[in-house]
Amino acid sequence: DGGITQSPKYLFRKEGQNVTLSCEQNLNHDAMYWYRQDPGQGLRLIYYSQIVNDFQKGDIAEGYSVSREKKESFPLTVTSAQKNPTAFYLCASSIFLSNTGELFFGEGSRLTVL
Amino acid sequence: SQQGEEDPQALSIQEGENATMNCSYKTSINNLQWYRQNSGRGLVHLILIRSNEREKHSGRLRVTLDTSKKSSSLLITASRAADTASYFCATDAGVAGGFKTIFGAGTRLFVKA
Repeated sequence: DGGITQSPKYLFRKEGQNVTLSCEQNLNHDAMYWYRQDPGQGLRLIYYSQIVNDFQKGDIAEGYSVSREKKESFPLTVTSAQKNPTAFYLCASSIFLSNTGELFFGEGSRLTVL
Repeated sequence: SQQGEEDPQALSIQEGENATMNCSYKTSINNLQWYRQNSGRGLVHLILIRSNEREKHSGRLRVTLDTSKKSSSLLITASRAADTASYFCATDAGVAGGFKTIFGAGTRLFVKA
């Protein structure tokens, strides 16, 4: 089945540690995105990538880093510089970068900082 | 600041009733989308309505768009317990180039069996 796979689903981290969230898609989509969701708030864009080896900062990129070495993969690293990393992280993809296209979402990764 | 804001924040209805959620936005748009999110899961696309459309249907869903009032509504008819979820509107903020799809804070719908 085609779709987006995020792992791990749950992750616990001690303060000061970097963690990497995985996002893999087999939809052959060019564009991929990372969002952060906090309780009672909408999704906020962290980073997005239009094509392999290219990515752009979203609205809340500070404390995060990404890479896009393969079309299928768009991992997100939450660094120790992120002051409040506890959140639900969602990865999405679309056929190409567009504001008119449907976004396909993974099931999310919940990060808790202890 | 958010481009789209949903109203109400939460809605509780009985199974079989209709549920109406509203979305207001601030700047002109090219299109507006509605997504659904079950608790602890990813979002699922429901419907897209373009700025030159006034109404769109998909099964039990009916979406309207009033660009003069900068608002949209999502109507779910004959609701079921399985419709319990959060519903988000997403707008493109009418910006040319780049990626500017912005999500609202969502309406939490609870359908009682």
